[in-house]
Amino acid sequence: GESVGLHLPTLSVQEGDNSIINCAYSNSASDYFIWYKQESGKGPQFIIDIRSNMDKRQGQRVTVLLNKTVKHLSLQIAATQPGDSAVYFCAEGDGSNYKLTFGKGTLLTVNP
Amino acid sequence: SAVISQKPSRDICQRGTSLTIQCQVDSQVTMMFWYRQQPGQSLTLIATANQGSEATYESGFVIDKFPISRPNLTFSTLTVSNMSPEDSSIYLCSVRQGTLDQPQHFGDGTRLSIL
Repeated sequence: GESVGLHLPTLSVQEGDNSIINCAYSNSASDYFIWYKQESGKGPQFIIDIRSNMDKRQGQRVTVLLNKTVKHLSLQIAATQPGDSAVYFCAEGDGSNYKLTFGKGTLLTVNP
Repeated sequence: SAVISQKPSRDICQRGTSLTIQCQVDSQVTMMFWYRQQPGQSLTLIATANQGSEATYESGFVIDKFPISRPNLTFSTLTVSNMSPEDSSIYLCSVRQGTLDQPQHFGDGTRLSIL
């Protein structure tokens, strides 16, 4: 079946830099997208979500961009901090059900 | 967001045995889900726990192996039956409130190792 995938399995950045984590999706019926952060030993923590009628949404230090033309999703983290080190997952869903399909995950490492 | 508690947080079990994992939420939620996360992997949905009726299972998961209960709007259990080493995973409960605008929130999971 269709699935969500990530371009980069690992990303290493310097503290204070901006981070960009990318995600490709293939299900054209998906109209809801969400990013989670998972720290070691914990469950996924909600970061930000976006619906398909938007192409950008901002939160605190994070921005999600959605490009439906090329089926691409990205998470931007401004002024990355050591506490941002974690695995980041994107997931997609559609309006007819509430199930999420998760991507593979990207390990973000922030170097002090 | 709702506070989600899972018990046990981890366990080591013998093959052939079964383990029941509990998920308790501090408020009533519309939807509850169970996921599996194999070591170093992403999350895979096992089933949607339906209050007062049988769970809805995803392809590759069956009720005999993963029986699920949901007696009310704040509690659910997942049983992993007749365990084998391949069942060693993190099992996660997630919940979703009301409308589609609300995101899913996750518990911290149960880390299960089968010897």
